[in-house]
Amino acid sequence: DAGITQSPRHKVTETGTPVTLRCHQTENHRYMYWYRQDPGHGLRLIHYSYGVKDTDKGEVSDGYSVSRSKTEDFLLTLESATSSQTSVYFCAISEKGHSGANVLTFGAGSRLTVL
Amino acid sequence: GQNIDQPTEMTATEGAIVQINCTYQTSGFNGLFWYQQHAGEAPTFLSYNVLDGLEEKGRFSSFLSRSKGYSYLLLKELQMKDSASYLCAVLDSNYQLIWGAGTKLIIKP
Repeated sequence: DAGITQSPRHKVTETGTPVTLRCHQTENHRYMYWYRQDPGHGLRLIHYSYGVKDTDKGEVSDGYSVSRSKTEDFLLTLESATSSQTSVYFCAISEKGHSGANVLTFGAGSRLTVL
Repeated sequence: GQNIDQPTEMTATEGAIVQINCTYQTSGFNGLFWYQQHAGEAPTFLSYNVLDGLEEKGRFSSFLSRSKGYSYLLLKELQMKDSASYLCAVLDSNYQLIWGAGTKLIIKP
């Protein structure tokens, strides 16, 4: 019954390889986000989308790209993975985007290890 | 720079009350959120405060003082399932969410 799913949930890859994480939602929400979560840090926004083909950078966007060709799918790509991108990646969705009581619903997370 | 401060870890006893503090220094303020995150799981929404005062929701309450840049989350009648990390996040003047690193709450029997 999950309205938001992420795949893969776990991935181990080597430095320099490309990686794509997928976020899929069934809620028809306009806004989608990619965050990374690292020990000792708060969630940090990588990229977000406010509609099909409409995306923008977050605070830690270097080394990442995104695409949103359909309302339900938001892809995060690491063109050439580095060890500093080892992290847990969370996708989130919301109805209202950047507004007041904008509640985020998060996916279960994708744990990426770059060796 | 923008900053959210929370204690890294707290320990409390089952059945007791615990208060988790959050102080913030941000460029403007458009609301403060609390999320709960169990280990290995996704964060889930707990509360939203935009006006000063206390918001109560069952065993959980959240307080805000905008003049002091301060909020707390109060958990009553603690249960073992409340063992989790609690994340404080502030919506700044540009409606960007700034997240604290989270407080890991350990509940002991």
